Amino acid sequence: DAGVTQSPTHLIKTRGQQVTLRCSPKSGHDTVSWYQQALGQGPQFIFQYYEEEERQRGNFPDRFSGHQFPNYSSELNVNALLLGDSALYLCASSGDWRGGELFFGEGSRLTVL
Amino acid sequence: GQQLNQSPQSMFIQEGEDVSMNCTSSSIFNTWLWYKQDPGEGPVLLIALYKAGELTSNGRLTAQFGITRKDSFLNISASIPSDVGIYFCAGQINAGGTSYGKLTFGQGTILTVHP
Repeated sequence: DAGVTQSPTHLIKTRGQQVTLRCSPKSGHDTVSWYQQALGQGPQFIFQYYEEEERQRGNFPDRFSGHQFPNYSSELNVNALLLGDSALYLCASSGDWRGGELFFGEGSRLTVL
Repeated sequence: GQQLNQSPQSMFIQEGEDVSMNCTSSSIFNTWLWYKQDPGEGPVLLIALYKAGELTSNGRLTAQFGITRKDSFLNISASIPSDVGIYFCAGQINAGGTSYGKLTFGQGTILTVHP
C-alpha cells in the first residue's frame, strides 16, 4: 500500500521563476492538503483540495495555486518565486475532507537563489 | 489566528529516561495529533486523539487530550536512541466551523537521546 508520494524531492530555482510540485495521495484517500515548512518551524497550511476544488486556503498569496486531478493527485504551483519561498513543501492526504488523520509525504525541498 | 505553544523547545536526555512534552492553545480543537519528524523527511503520525479527556497509548508513547480541549501532552517512556527527532503537536477543527481538515502545528520539540 503506497503512502503519499511527492516529486521532485529537491529542486533549485532562481527568483522570479515558477515551480510545480506534484503529489499522489495514499491509496483510498481523496483529500489532499499542502503545507509549507520553513527551517526550524512547524508546517503551515497552504490549501486543501477535495473533489478537484480548493476547499480551504491558509494565509498565502495568490502566487500559490493548486490543482487536483480526477485520480486525486495534486499539484502545487508557485509563481514569481521569492527567496522566502525556500522551504520544505509537504503534501498530506486524508480520507475525509472534514478532518481526521492526515498522512504526509516526505516533501519537496525547494531552494530559491 | 490560532497558535499552538509547544514546550519545551528542546530536550537532552539519557537513554532509558522518560520524556514529557505538551502543547497549549488559546483556541479549542476537536482533534489533537502528535507527529514525529526525522531530518529530511515528512512528519509521521504517532497518535490521534478525538475526545476531551481521552488517554491513548501507542507502545511506549502515551498522549492525552485535555479536558478544556485547549491542550494535550505526549509522554515517551524508557527512551531509546531512535526516539531522536522533532515532535510536533497539531490541532484540528473537524466539527462545524470553516476549518475542516486544516492542521495547526506547534513549533516542535527537538529531542536528543544520549546513549
